[in-house]
Amino acid sequence: EAGVTQSPTHLIKTRGQQATLRCSPISGHTSVYWYQQALGLGLQFLLWYDEGEERNRGNFPPRFSGRQFPNYSSELNVNALELEDSALYLCASSLETGVEQYFGPGTRLTVT
Amino acid sequence: KNEVEQSPQNLTAQEGEFITINCSYSVGISALHWLQQHPGGGIVSLFMLSSGKKKHGRLIATINIQEKHSSLHITASHPRDSAVYICAALKTSYDKVIFGPGTSLSVIP
Repeated sequence: EAGVTQSPTHLIKTRGQQATLRCSPISGHTSVYWYQQALGLGLQFLLWYDEGEERNRGNFPPRFSGRQFPNYSSELNVNALELEDSALYLCASSLETGVEQYFGPGTRLTVT
Repeated sequence: KNEVEQSPQNLTAQEGEFITINCSYSVGISALHWLQQHPGGGIVSLFMLSSGKKKHGRLIATINIQEKHSSLHITASHPRDSAVYICAALKTSYDKVIFGPGTSLSVIP
């Protein structure tokens, strides 16, 4: 069974541009979580989607947004990129809320 | 004060040693994850537990809900265990995961 997949693996953007990151959960999983791990910092919760709806978001500005599609895959959009958005963005999925999360390999975003 | 704390921050051990990493939290939780992050960023979920103890191979995780404390033990440590170990608390409201700062483990042959 395929695990959580993310694309692209690496993404290089310039300041002010927009970035789109994609995540495909494990088949049958309906919850998708996004996390940011900036250099030198721990993992920070970004967004949680379940059954197509945004359930909660962390302390990030509105230029971080996303959506979950009917097939439960998800997209994270970061608008008006800033240098400090450079980070590893991890996606995780779970069968339902409150159970074990499985992590994808991450997308490394570099903003120059 | 962070809601989830870990100790030690860094740990160096000789191959074969018994290792303990501690996690304490101050929020109400429904469960606690132990994660392993290898250089390059890949994260593997080791355990999710809400009570008692779980064992998988050389890894053992325990949690004491009353004391709000969890431990991850590695028996007969090996250089391939070198990684950052992160505990993550799933809040009681199920709406948020709070991560500890991580423990960087280096096992020397």
